Amino acid sequence: SQQGEEDPQALSIQEGENATMNCSYKTSINNLQWYRQNSGRGLVHLILIRSNEREKHSGRLRVTLDTSKKSSSLLITASRAADTASYFCATHFNDYKLSFGAGTTVTVRA
Amino acid sequence: DAGITQSPRHKVTETGTPVTLRCHQTENHRYMYWYRQDPGHGLRLIHYSYGVKDTDKGEVSDGYSVSRSKTEDFLLTLESATSSQTSVYFCAIMGLATDTQYFGPGTRLTVL
Repeated sequence: SQQGEEDPQALSIQEGENATMNCSYKTSINNLQWYRQNSGRGLVHLILIRSNEREKHSGRLRVTLDTSKKSSSLLITASRAADTASYFCATHFNDYKLSFGAGTTVTVRA
Repeated sequence: DAGITQSPRHKVTETGTPVTLRCHQTENHRYMYWYRQDPGHGLRLIHYSYGVKDTDKGEVSDGYSVSRSKTEDFLLTLESATSSQTSVYFCAIMGLATDTQYFGPGTRLTVL
């Protein structure tokens, strides 16, 4: 069964606004990762946050992790049309497998 | 796409026919994965490999088999395709130095 669940399922924002999506998971993790998928393409890794980290930044991306609540959030600041995509969280346990959520579809309107 | 190719990219087949999808990597990574992606389900792991001739089942392995005779190739076989196996199939790799996965471009399979 899938470990991570993203919320909301879909998000529509105006260009320049911030987009926030959340991921909840069920069991202890080694790390949590976010991936982006543009329409018709494979997933692309965005950022990884380890279980002992609380916040991480990469360009316009900010990821937080709250292990006590078993949740993570991805913030995209100053969104652009090119940010239109589906975003997936993936949790990593003790082996070499990831468990993906169902994703959040983000649409950035011009 | 990080040196990963999938073939074919699109396939339409009839129910009951065998189908083999190929994943090829040029990165020499040890771990390879096959996922299927369906609306509302995200990515679900079918099978994975942790070395040549070493494979294991994922969460949706029924009706699928895999083989890995060389580091660079990971094959996914549907012995007798069913309409429920209509999906987009993604291959991914992961190296030992990183916990992140790199995905191929996907294969869209339609079973009529």
